[in-house]
Amino acid sequence: GAGVSQTPSNKVTEKGKYVELRCDPISGHTALYWYRQSLGQGPEFLIYFQGTGAADDSGLPNDRFFAVRPEGSVSTLKIQRTERGDSAVYLCASSSFVPGQGAIGANVLTFGAGSRLTVL
Amino acid sequence: GDSVTQMEGPVTLSEEAFLTINCTYTATGYPSLFWYVQYPGEGLQLLLKATKADDKGSNKGFEATYRKETTSFHLEKGSVQVSDSAVYFCALKGFQKLVFGTGTRLLVSP
Repeated sequence: GAGVSQTPSNKVTEKGKYVELRCDPISGHTALYWYRQSLGQGPEFLIYFQGTGAADDSGLPNDRFFAVRPEGSVSTLKIQRTERGDSAVYLCASSSFVPGQGAIGANVLTFGAGSRLTVL
Repeated sequence: GDSVTQMEGPVTLSEEAFLTINCTYTATGYPSLFWYVQYPGEGLQLLLKATKADDKGSNKGFEATYRKETTSFHLEKGSVQVSDSAVYFCALKGFQKLVFGTGTRLLVSP
């Protein structure tokens, strides 16, 4: 698609419930990132996929958080046994590597509008 | 690990005033540096970037220069507008992930 699409845009759930958040990246982008942004804070890295595999999941706060990208496109962030502290905006971003544009570090991440999760 | 420190806000200015938002970083290697902006009710958008020392990124009248000697990437604009009111995030990217600062809110009054 034209941009990064995230669903749902808003999710309200009760403590202890299971939640799934979906990200549809820009078509052809091989890299996909999940971030979490709490109120008044900068986005905090959670996990990064290159293709189907998680290249870096060092930001996942604990084993209640899990993400998949089975076909190298759409990704789902899964949160088990939600806690009130999980309330935040969950951001997805994608990027691509274009030969000739220099180091991978130069590639720009395009962000979706985010999924706001509220745990009551 | 890699980190970004930016000045706390809010920064409150009158229209047409000069803007500086300070950003310094700590990183191993040679990261790329970015400024992202988040307008009220909208998602994060790339404002500008610089990929190596002494590069200057610019967009919409905003500028920032990658200063390796001072590990800084300060954001400047000569004359701000009310429509520039937003939260600005400095960020760095090494090989893989983007690391953000905590953001600086800019409020511009007419």
